[in-house]
Amino acid sequence: DVKVTQSSRYLVKRTGEKVFLECVQDMDHENMFWYRQDPGLGLRLIYFSYDVKMKEKGDIPEGYSVSREKKERFSLILESASTNQTSMYLCASSLLAGADTQYFGPGTRLTVL
Amino acid sequence: SQELEQSPQSLIVQEGKNLTINCTSSKTLYGLYWYKQKYGEGLIFLMMLQKGGEEKSHEKITAKLDEKKQQSSLHITASQPSHAGIYLCGADYGGSNYKLTFGKGTLLTVNP
Repeated sequence: DVKVTQSSRYLVKRTGEKVFLECVQDMDHENMFWYRQDPGLGLRLIYFSYDVKMKEKGDIPEGYSVSREKKERFSLILESASTNQTSMYLCASSLLAGADTQYFGPGTRLTVL
Repeated sequence: SQELEQSPQSLIVQEGKNLTINCTSSKTLYGLYWYKQKYGEGLIFLMMLQKGGEEKSHEKITAKLDEKKQQSSLHITASQPSHAGIYLCGADYGGSNYKLTFGKGTLLTVNP
């Protein structure tokens, strides 16, 4: 079974802090994704990566950056957290190039005070 | 308007009843993915449909993709409390795009 893990289930940070969310997959998947999920807005893609050190902006990249130094690990970085970044963050991975079944981690609920 | 619409937004059924959730696209689908999400958790992959008219089943859940490849339905037979959660559809519109476009989800409550 594919396993995608996220570093924290719940996180509370203060405005202006730098926040790191980590995601690890154990199935040698090529592609990794970061989404945020908000009530009424659904799932929105922040960034994705189709190879080590490669990244592409999703629909809402503003205020976020990402890092993929190793194939199995994809990090989402909030350089200076703001209250409007309070959300559920979901990481996913997929095997093949192009659209393919995405397997999701358990999510990190981030609260920025 | 949204590219991918799910209906209904929420659904409450009595245990043992059948139910259907719909996912309608404004564009032709290359592929359609169904996921289930327990509140506050990640998404669990259920099924993927790609061919017009395709139908797949897993336990008591059946998903279909219409011939025109613009609408999919998810049908649950004899619902159980374990079926409760949020069901989301995700659309692949083809090309070299890696993205899936997700619907906003349908919240299913099953009362014992």
